[in-house]
Amino acid sequence: EADIYQTPRYLVIGTGKKITLECSQTMGHDKMYWYQQDPGMELHLIHYSYGVNSTEKGDLSSESTVSRIRTEHFPLTLESARPSHTSQYLCASSELTAGGGTDTQYFGPGTRLTVL
Amino acid sequence: AQSVSQHNHHVILSEAASLELGCNYSYGGTVNLFWYVQYPGQHLQLLLKYFSGDPLVKGIKGFEAEFIKSKFSFNLRKPSVQWSDTAEYFCAVNGNFGNEKLTFGTGTRLTIIP
Repeated sequence: EADIYQTPRYLVIGTGKKITLECSQTMGHDKMYWYQQDPGMELHLIHYSYGVNSTEKGDLSSESTVSRIRTEHFPLTLESARPSHTSQYLCASSELTAGGGTDTQYFGPGTRLTVL
Repeated sequence: AQSVSQHNHHVILSEAASLELGCNYSYGGTVNLFWYVQYPGQHLQLLLKYFSGDPLVKGIKGFEAEFIKSKFSFNLRKPSVQWSDTAEYFCAVNGNFGNEKLTFGTGTRLTIIP
């Protein structure tokens, strides 16, 4: 069972508010990811990190920002929330398999964000 | 750029029916393939994965998938579904170089009628 946590699970907030979505993992994984998922659509990678002090933008442009000050923690921040940010945000983590192969990603439960 | 197609958006089956969910990918290199499942109200969970070796991969809960390189496919199968298999199923792919990002399909919603 993967140990990756996201809070809050649900958030309803007004336009213009600053919000931070929390993601923590206790597996010691170096790699962490944020995905955005709308109903009936694929997951889109918006941010990822290969380790402490490493952050990269993903395939889908996002107005959010992330930080990685500690291995286990990868928060996502929206400085000024807008209705277009309404979506589900999924956090994931992974490590390289032995021999330098690819990685299996483990997902958190997600945060469903609604911006009014 | 890599892409994943899941042609079945919503599949409805009766219990004990056989299941096959399609997944085709586009990628110009050696790939790793995954099926994830999301049960109602739960996390995305890994169902099975293919990295190399035997193209027929067995996963949890009686699921299996077959990698057919010539068809760029990785279809998910189960011989006899149960009501508890009701969930959303996502196929995903990345390149076999360790740091390549995972690309997901749009998902297939599976509804099993008791």
